[in-house]
Amino acid sequence: EAGVAQSPRYKIIEKRQSVAFWCNPISGHATLYWYQQILGQGPKLLIQFQNNGVVDDSQLPKDRFSAERLKGVDSTLKIQPAKLEDSAVYLCASSVGPTFNSPLHFGNGTRLTVT
Amino acid sequence: LAKTTQPISMDSYEGQEVNITCSHNNIATNDYITWYQQFPSQGPRFIIQGYKTKVTNEVASLFIPADRKSSTLSLPRVSLSDTAVYYCLVGDRNSGNTPLVFGKGTRLSVIA
Repeated sequence: EAGVAQSPRYKIIEKRQSVAFWCNPISGHATLYWYQQILGQGPKLLIQFQNNGVVDDSQLPKDRFSAERLKGVDSTLKIQPAKLEDSAVYLCASSVGPTFNSPLHFGNGTRLTVT
Repeated sequence: LAKTTQPISMDSYEGQEVNITCSHNNIATNDYITWYQQFPSQGPRFIIQGYKTKVTNEVASLFIPADRKSSTLSLPRVSLSDTAVYYCLVGDRNSGNTPLVFGKGTRLSVIA
C-alpha cells in the first residue's frame, strides 16, 4: 500500500511569513494526525482528525496555526505568522481508527526552518 | 496518562541482542504498551504492541512482567541499520480519546 505522502519535504521561510504543509493519508484511514518534532525531542501532537472532524487540538497554537481536512481525506496545516521557535519537522500520520490499538503510519515529514 | 521512562541512549555492537527497558509505574488496567522506531529523517514506525507476558513478531519481542510496571523491547542480533530512536508509549487500547504521547525515546547506536 502507498504510504502517507507529505509535501514539501523542506521549507525555509523568514519569521512572520506564512507557510502551508500538505498531507495525503493512506487510503481508507479515517484518523489523521499532525505532529511537531523539534530536534532531539519526541513528536508532539498538534491536532487529530476523525474523518473531517477535529478530535483533539488542545496543543495547537491557534493564534498562528490552523489545520483542515476537507472531505475527510487530504489535510493542510498552516502557520501564519511563523516564529523562530516553529522550526521543526512537521509529521503527518494516519490510522485506520482513533483507538490506541490502531497503529499510526507516519509520513517522512516536512522540515521547516524559520530564519 | 501513564508516564513512561526510558534510557536516553544505548550503544551496542553488531550481532548482539539489545534490550531496551521502559518503566510505566502507573499503568492502568486497560492500558497497552506500544513501541515505535524512528530512523533519521523519517517518521516513527510501529514495531510492536502488547498487554502482558510476551509478544513476538518478525522485528522484535516485547516482554511484560506480571505487574506490568515495566516492559522490555528486545532486538535480536542488531545490525547497523537498527540505529534509531525507540519510543515506548502506553495508552488505553480501546479509547479513541487517548492522545499518543511520545517521550524523548531511547537513541540506540549500533557499532560495527
